[in-house]
Amino acid sequence: GAGVSQSPSNKVTEKGKDVELRCDPISGHTALYWYRQRLGQGLEFLIYFQGNSAPDKSGLPSDRFSAERTGESVSTLTIQRTQQEDSAVYLCASSKDSSRGYTFGSGTRLTVV
Amino acid sequence: GQQVMQIPQYQHVQEGEDFTTYCNSSTTLSNIQWYKQRPGGHPVFLIQLVKSGEVKKQKRLTFQFGEAKKNSSLHITATQTTDVGTYFCAGRASGTYKYIFGTGTRLKVLA
Repeated sequence: GAGVSQSPSNKVTEKGKDVELRCDPISGHTALYWYRQRLGQGLEFLIYFQGNSAPDKSGLPSDRFSAERTGESVSTLTIQRTQQEDSAVYLCASSKDSSRGYTFGSGTRLTVV
Repeated sequence: GQQVMQIPQYQHVQEGEDFTTYCNSSTTLSNIQWYKQRPGGHPVFLIQLVKSGEVKKQKRLTFQFGEAKKNSSLHITATQTTDVGTYFCAGRASGTYKYIFGTGTRLKVLA
């Protein structure tokens, strides 16, 4: 596609429920990031995928968070047993050549009530 | 672990005044990127700096990479209301592919 697509754009869920967030990167982009951005805050690194290499999961805040990506295609970020502190915008970014920077999606705004 | 700090956190300027944000990394960087995030939007890539002491310009924006490759700055000359937003630097340490974003500087321009 023309850009990075994320779905859903908004998600309201009850505390304790599981949620799955989806990211469709730009075709051909081998690198993919997930970041979390709380209201008025900076970007918190969560996980990084590069081609078929093992992902860098060092930013995942707890074992409730997991992410998958098959090859250079879609990625999903799953949050189990959501907590109120998980409320944030989850941003996905992809790149073919990092020297040209990363293209961000519009994000999924997650609200846990 | 690698940390990237930016100062100031917030900056309010009158339209026409200059603005500078500074980015400091705890580790030596391979390269650094700058992004702009408009209110309610997502970060958009502005530029990448690679060489020690490198300076790049984009119209009224001047980007600089420090000699030690641990700090960087973004300077905007004669700010306009369209410059409003949060400016982030993102640094990549040598030997890694991971970009760590700075804490961001939120710019408000008063007309």
